[in-house]
Amino acid sequence: GENVEQHPSTLSVQEGDSAVIKCTYSDSASNYFPWYKQELGKRPQLIIDIRSNVGEKKDQRIAVTLNKTAKHFSLHITETQPEDSAVYFCAATSGGSARQLTFGSGTQLTVLP
Amino acid sequence: KAGVTQTPRYLIKTRGQQVTLSCSPISGHRSVSWYQQTPGQGLQFLFEYFSETQRNKGNFPGRFSGRQFSNSRSEMNVSTLELGDSALYLCASSLMAVQETQYFGPGTRLLVL
Repeated sequence: GENVEQHPSTLSVQEGDSAVIKCTYSDSASNYFPWYKQELGKRPQLIIDIRSNVGEKKDQRIAVTLNKTAKHFSLHITETQPEDSAVYFCAATSGGSARQLTFGSGTQLTVLP
Repeated sequence: KAGVTQTPRYLIKTRGQQVTLSCSPISGHRSVSWYQQTPGQGLQFLFEYFSETQRNKGNFPGRFSGRQFSNSRSEMNVSTLELGDSALYLCASSLMAVQETQYFGPGTRLLVL
């Protein structure tokens, strides 16, 4: 089955700096790659997603890049703010019918004021 | 539009008991997925339902089961509870498939003593 690896597990940045989180996946048939943000005690919320026919997608301070050949995708957050502090999860579709999301292990991002 | 709701929010059970958790998806959403979230294992896929049919199942023992009703509401059941079943159980709904935006519920926190 699909295996999604996420790095780093913890990341501390100064407010205003950029943060990058990387994920690799194993199933070459995967075609959908969402990123979720989970604040402490809250539900995961989708922040951005990308499909396999697109190499990059941007939404204000957040961007995701996808390299299908290398089977890795990355989340980029620019001009970080304290409210960006949370756990971020990457995910990839898996399964023959692509009806299952496999999640990475999460990255605890801390933005220091 | 109301979000995904889950009941109960908290539950304490003892080993050997069984438990039923409920999930009400966003109105119009027909796909419901269930996940188990633990500090050590992260977010793990349990199963996905669409139109009252289980379309995919994760690597969990048969003690974990679920069903979906005609109104898309879903339940999951865990029989013969073990200490290791203590976790946050999250459900997520999407319109038709997991490759679409999945909206998570607040989760049910289960503690097995």
